[in-house]
Formats: sequence, C-alpha cells, structure tokens
Amino acid sequence: QEKVQQSPESLIVPEGAMSSLNCTFSNSASQSIWWYQQHPGKGPEALISIFSNGNKKEGRLTVYLNRASLHVSLHIRDSQPSDSAVYLCASRSSGSWQLIFGSGTQLTVMP
Amino acid sequence: EAGVTQSPRYAVLQEGQAVSFWCDPISGHDTLYWYQQPRDQGPQLLVYFRDEAVIDNSQLPSDRFSAVRPKGTNSTLKIQSAKQGDTATYLCASSLAGYEQYFGPGTRLTVL
Repeated sequence: QEKVQQSPESLIVPEGAMSSLNCTFSNSASQSIWWYQQHPGKGPEALISIFSNGNKKEGRLTVYLNRASLHVSLHIRDSQPSDSAVYLCASRSSGSWQLIFGSGTQLTVMP
Repeated sequence: EAGVTQSPRYAVLQEGQAVSFWCDPISGHDTLYWYQQPRDQGPQLLVYFRDEAVIDNSQLPSDRFSAVRPKGTNSTLKIQSAKQGDTATYLCASSLAGYEQYFGPGTRLTVL
C-alpha cells in the first residue's frame, strides 16, 4: 500500500527564518503531491501542489519535487508566527482521486 | 461562497452507542470524501462518492460504518456500535472531479 512519510515530526524556527519540511512517497506513479496546512480544531487547507519534476513557487512558498528519489520538500521563506500549524504532505495517484497523507510536521515559529 | 459544513462539531459516546455525522459540501462539487484523522496522525480515507455513487469504500469498516449520499449532495456517515478505537476527528471534503479537495472543520468524536 502506498505510504507517505514526513520529516521532521516537529520543527521550531525563529520569526523571519526559512522553514524546510520533507516528504517521501512510495509510489513513483504518483500523479501529484499536495501540501496542506492544518490549524488546531480546523480542517486541512491546501497550500500548494506540484505535478511535474522540478520546483514551483507561490509567494513565500517553494516546493521541490524529485520523482527519481521519491522526495518532495516545502520551503517557507520569512516564516511568521501565523505560519505555526501542522503541515501535511499528500500524494495522489493517477487513476484515483484518493489522497494518501503523511502524519504531518508540527511547525512552530517563535516571535 | 460557503465552505464545507459539518455537524455536530463534537460528540461523546459510550462504547456500543451509535452516532451519525452530517456533511454539506461546497455547492456544485460532485465528489465527496470522508476521512478519519486519529490524534497526531494524517487523515485516512474511509469512503468517497462521485455524485450519489460510491467510488471507493474499501477502507470503510463495513460491519459498523456506513455512508450514504442519496441525492448527490449532502452525506451522512454513521457508526453503528462505536468502539474506543473509533476516537478520532471525522473530516468531510469535497472537490470538483479530482481537483483540489476542500475540507470541513471536522467532528471530534470521543468514545469512552
């Protein structure tokens, strides 16, 4: 069964720093990778997705996908205390609309 | 535009009791998903529908869990005889076909 693993489990960074989160997925046929943000007591909210090898930038977010190594990373530039949340990585395979989620990374940005 | 709404927001049960969760997806979204999210874990898909048809329910514990979406709009997830291991947040999401999934706030279930 397809698996998604995230690291680190938790990350603490000072305000203004770069936050870097990692995700590995088991299915090389994965069609797309999604990053979701989840605040306490709320449902996940999609931040950014990537379909092709390479990188994609949206605002302070940059995501890198390397299909050969089954690895994707999310980088948050100029991290803010409001970015403190759980970040979930999810893989979607072709032929299915199901998202397979990792266990998440708890990001804490200290003022 | 209203997002995905769920009710109730919280439920506390004794083992063996039944409970139902209700979800109203974003208007026009044809696909609806139910996920279970145990504490400190990522969401895990239970079942998903396209319109009123079940597309995948392979991860739904069929002996105690059931889900319906009779008119292709709202949906109900029911647990017939809850167990302590069912303690989790139940999330509903909707999408237009296979595009971005939008999640509701979830129902936090505690089974004592």
